[in-house]
Amino acid sequence: ETGVTQSPTHLIKTRGQQVTLRCSSQSGHNTVSWYQQALGQGPQFIFQYYREEENGRGNFPPRFSGLQFPNYSSELNVNALELDDSALYLCASRSNQGRGTEAFFGQGTRLTVV
Amino acid sequence: AQSVTQPDIHITVSEGASLELRCNYSYGATPYLFWYVQSPGQGLQLLLKYFSGDTLVQGIKGFEAEFKRSQSSFNLRKPSVHWSDAAEYFCAVGADRDDKIIFGKGTRLHILP
Repeated sequence: ETGVTQSPTHLIKTRGQQVTLRCSSQSGHNTVSWYQQALGQGPQFIFQYYREEENGRGNFPPRFSGLQFPNYSSELNVNALELDDSALYLCASRSNQGRGTEAFFGQGTRLTVV
Repeated sequence: AQSVTQPDIHITVSEGASLELRCNYSYGATPYLFWYVQSPGQGLQLLLKYFSGDTLVQGIKGFEAEFKRSQSSFNLRKPSVHWSDAAEYFCAVGADRDDKIIFGKGTRLHILP
């Protein structure tokens, strides 16, 4: 089985621009979550998608949005980038067979906003 | 609200020594608890998890953790560390409403030769 893959691995954007990050979930997993990990911090929950619908959201502004596709892959979009958006963005997938089902993480996308 | 506290930002131990990383959680009901490890530039790997039952759980790479409800703790232990254990370790709790995982700020483990 393939693992969770994210693209691109690194990205540099200018303040005010928009960015799209991509995630291919592990085979058989229908739930995808996105996390932001700032330098020296633990990952912070952004939102979660289950069968193409958002079913949980953390304390992030609306300029953070997402999509999940029929094949359960996912995108994270960030509009009007700010310097503080610089972080490692992690995607995690799981099979959503109940609370606490193990989430498998991708390697992340390192976003730098200048 | 759920939260996780890892009181030690950095821990340094000698190779071959024992290790204990502390974790305290705040949660209203029976928590789902996790320990993840992150090597530099890498994603997160699950070491072990606690859902219910035996309060001492075994994980991968020789790690174990003990759930103590009375102390709201879930400390990670290893009897003898290896140089390859140097990494960042995150304790986490699973939320109930939307299954999100709430992470602590992490403990960076340094290994002395």
